[in-house]
Parts: sequence; structure tokens; C-alpha cells
Amino acid sequence: SQTIHQWPATLVQPVGSPLSLECTVEGTSNPNLYWYRQAAGRGLQLLFYSVGIGQISSEVPQNLSASRPQDRQFILSSKKLLLSDSGFYLCAWSLGGTGSSWGFGQGTRLTVV
Amino acid sequence: AQSVTQPDIHITVSEGASLELRCNYSYGATPYLFWYVQSPGQGLQLLLKYFSGDTLVQGIKGFEAEFKRSQSSFNLRKPSVHWSDAAEYFCAVGASSGDKLTFGTGTRLAVRP
Repeated sequence: SQTIHQWPATLVQPVGSPLSLECTVEGTSNPNLYWYRQAAGRGLQLLFYSVGIGQISSEVPQNLSASRPQDRQFILSSKKLLLSDSGFYLCAWSLGGTGSSWGFGQGTRLTVV
Repeated sequence: AQSVTQPDIHITVSEGASLELRCNYSYGATPYLFWYVQSPGQGLQLLLKYFSGDTLVQGIKGFEAEFKRSQSSFNLRKPSVHWSDAAEYFCAVGASSGDKLTFGTGTRLAVRP
């Protein structure tokens, strides 16, 4: 069965520092991969999604970027964090086709101070 | 563009009482619909999903949801709420079974003893 690993679970970073959140999926190949951000009272906002290695689509303009260096690895980055980047970040995977599955990581609570 | 509305931000029910969480979606074709639950500081757990077929869908933890195309709704129900059901609930819609999901803003459920 598929599993998804996301780390770290919590992170406190100063404004202006870089960011790297990593997500890996096991038990499947060629999944669609996603980064969502959850801000208080705003639900889950899709930030990036990827249908294959090196293929990244950005949903909203922002201070963050994403990369997919390997089939089952998805990385969320920033060169300089802003206070507004604070939130709960979730990595997710999906498989296409009838009866497909979705799975979510446990999330990373990022606090920018 | 697809969208999801969860009109109730907070709901409080007594333990043992019935529960209904509302979800309305906007999508031009047959949607793929999901309900997820999130405990504090945790990732998302799938409760149930609807792709096609029987419009009454059974999920885990005693939850069910009914797809009503005429009302563009996918409300979540449980006949008797347990204290452990206190969490945040998200409705989501996808254009296909493996496509990116659009989430509602969530409904936070509190359970009175």
C-alpha cells in the first residue's frame, strides 16, 4: 500500500531564512503530487501540483517554489521566508483512473518569526 | 472553475445527537466528491468518497454522505456523534478521480458531553 512521508512535523524559522520541506511517497510510481497550505479560516489552498518529474504547476503567485527531482519526491522551498508564509503545509499524492486513491502527509506546522 | 462551499464554520452538537455537515459544490460535469477529517495538528483522513453509482455513500467511523445532483450538494451525516468525532471536516471536489482537489474552508465540530 502507498505511504507518504513528510518532514519536519514542526518548524520555526526567522523571517528571511530559507525553507525546504520534503515529501516522499512509497508504494506507487508516477503519482500526481501536491502541496497544500492551510491557513486559519481559509481551508486548504492548493499551492503546487506535479504530474511528473520536473513538471510543476503553480496555482497561486507567492514566495514559494516547488521541485520534483525524483518520481516520488516533492520539495517545497523558499529563498527568504515571510511572516505570511506561516501555516500548515500538507503534501498529497493521487493516482489517476477509476477507483484511484488520494493520500495526505501528516503536515508541517511552519511558524515564521 | 470548480469550487466548494461549506456554509457552517463551527458546529456544536451533544454527544449522541445526530449530525449533518453541509457541502455545496460548483462544477460543470459529474464531480468526484470527498469528505476528509482532520484532528488537531494532524494530516487528513479520508472518510468517504463518491465517484459514481449509488448516491448514498458509506464511509468509515459510521459516517455517510448523500450526493444530490439537483442541489449540487454532498452533505455528511452521522446518526449518533461520539466525543472522538470532534475535529475539522473538509469537503472536496475533483474534476476527475486523480485530478487536483479543491477544498472547502472546513467545518469545525465540537461535541458537548
